[in-house]
Parts: sequence; structure tokens; C-alpha cells
Amino acid sequence: QSVLTQSPSVSGAPGQRITISCTGTNSNIGAGYAVHWYQQPPGGAPKLLVFGNTLRPSGVPDRFSGSKSGTSASLAINGLQPEDEAEYHCQSYDRGLSGPVFGGGTKVTVL
Amino acid sequence: EVQLVQSGSVVKKAGESLRISCKGSGNSFTNYWILWVRQMPGKGLEWMGIIYYGDSETTYSPSFRGQVTISVDRSINTAHLQWRSLEPSDSAMYYCARRKGLAGGAPYFDSWGQGTLVSVSS
Repeated sequence: QSVLTQSPSVSGAPGQRITISCTGTNSNIGAGYAVHWYQQPPGGAPKLLVFGNTLRPSGVPDRFSGSKSGTSASLAINGLQPEDEAEYHCQSYDRGLSGPVFGGGTKVTVL
Repeated sequence: EVQLVQSGSVVKKAGESLRISCKGSGNSFTNYWILWVRQMPGKGLEWMGIIYYGDSETTYSPSFRGQVTISVDRSINTAHLQWRSLEPSDSAMYYCARRKGLAGGAPYFDSWGQGTLVSVSS
């Protein structure tokens, strides 16, 4: 059971917009800690996609955008592309556990 | 570009010990924290522990405290994850990652190893 909750899967056609949600508690996201997102391609390692709720590392397309409100956060992918098919993980910090916490991952399928 | 290179896949038997490694290129670990996570088949990422490369200060997840040992060898720019006695339930992919910094109070990880697959038979 992951500390942060993500829907198991989301799908969309090429060019569509999809959103992935991540829900926490008042010990992590709701306590004000930022949310980060990682993209993990099939058989590959995670890669930092969004950090500090909304910031993108150099090289990440602006099709990816993050937001946060209350105890939840979202990752939006605009103009879905076949190469976006991957697992997406959210991550924050939990003050009760004194460490980073992750969601269970959301598998994105491009139809 | 920072590169983290992990040791190769391994097959072990229950009760055996194991140490896997994560080597950073150049000085990529200096003054950084190194995270270890577990990913069981078809599951999400689980934080196991995090170690500061400079002085080996380590924080373990309550779920893994006492089950594994995390260490660093500064002479070879390498972090280690170790088990004294493996169990079949330890079969998983293990990743190391470098903590780039804090954003909004939460640590984030900008460089990841390629993963080490551990298989433990009974």
C-alpha cells in the first residue's frame, strides 16, 4: 500500500490531454510539501519530469505540467504522443515517516 | 552529465547475503544524499533509506529498518545496499538515485541508476 494514492491507469488517443492524480494526507502533501513527478518507460529507470509542483528540468517538453491543491496534485500531458506511454510516479515528503514517499504509479497507455 | 551505474542482476538463495552497488561518475556524489528504492514486479516505488555521502548519516524507512544496511565507500564513489539473510520476498528491482535538492520542502531525485534485479529462490 503506497503512502500516496494514484489511479492505476489512464489512456488517451494521440493529441489528447490527460491528467494523472496523486492524493496524499495532512502528513505529506497537505502539510505543504511539494510534489514531484517521474516518468518510467517500460523496462527503464525513473526520470525526473516535474519538481516543486510545477517546475520542469531542462529538456522536458512543456506538454508536461504539474499542479497542486490541498492534499492532491496532478500531472497533465497535453498533446499526448506515443512516446509518452510509460508509468508515472508522484513523490513528496512525509513528516511522520521523515522521508520521501511515492505513489503506486499510473500506467499511461496511448491508444 | 551525472551517471549512476549499478551492479548487475543477481540470483541468490534464501538465507544468503548480498551487497549491490551504485557507482557515481566523477564527483557526482560529493555533498549529495543517495536514495535506495525497491520496486516489486508491477508495483510502485518504495523508499528504503537515504544516506549522506559526506558523513554516512543514514535514515531508514520504518519498513526496511533492520532488514538492510546502506553504506558508502568514498574511495570508489560508490554506495551499497546490503542484506545479511535474503528472503524470497526480497525479489525485486532496486534503484539508487541522487538527491538533487529540496523543492517546497520535499527532496527530489535528478539522476537514477539503471536498476539491479535481485531474484531470491527458496
